[in-house]
Amino acid sequence: DTAVSQTPKYLVTQMGNDKSIKCEQNLGHDTMYWYKQDSKKFLKIMFSYNNKELIINETVPNRFSPKSPDKAHLNLHINSLELGDSAVYFCASSQEQGTGANVLTFGAGSRLTVL
Amino acid sequence: GQNIDQPTEMTATEGAIVQINCTYQTSGFNGLFWYQQHAGEAPTFLSYNVLDGLEEKGRFSSFLSRSKGYSYLLLKELQMKDSASYLCAVMDSNYQLIWGAGTKLIIKP
Repeated sequence: DTAVSQTPKYLVTQMGNDKSIKCEQNLGHDTMYWYKQDSKKFLKIMFSYNNKELIINETVPNRFSPKSPDKAHLNLHINSLELGDSAVYFCASSQEQGTGANVLTFGAGSRLTVL
Repeated sequence: GQNIDQPTEMTATEGAIVQINCTYQTSGFNGLFWYQQHAGEAPTFLSYNVLDGLEEKGRFSSFLSRSKGYSYLLLKELQMKDSASYLCAVMDSNYQLIWGAGTKLIIKP
């Protein structure tokens, strides 16, 4: 039973399109995240939600909009896709934010390719 | 600014020992994590250090020196399946994770 599942695993689309990536966790965790991993392998935090409330919103274009219908789901919607959005997007969850031993459980990643 | 440094790539031989270093400069410190990431897969948690010293977990050990801003991950009795990227991450004073770019470890027979 997958702990953090995200779909789709692969997404190939044209510039200017709008796409969504869905994420669900069955671990009962309070906090969920979206990370972007580029070709240089840096993991960059994009958003963090705690119990459906936004707590981290790093400097990302407002074309990216997260939505958390409940604490087990955090979806990512991207408008007007650009070439530079091509990357692997990881969803993750953790027990709670604001503690030291805050171990993240990651989803398998969604590889987005913008043509 | 905040910075995590680790070597880009290392090569080691099956059965040997390898040490992957990580140095950090962050605003505050609430712990250091090591994650393993196989190619095309998700990062998975390996270890967490918040106090100085060595934490051992099977073939893997992680060391921390807070005064030096330094950690290492030690892998013993290397196996081919240990070929992966190893990511160092530090939790800063705001409990935000600052990630290094990862060290790609190549194991040769």
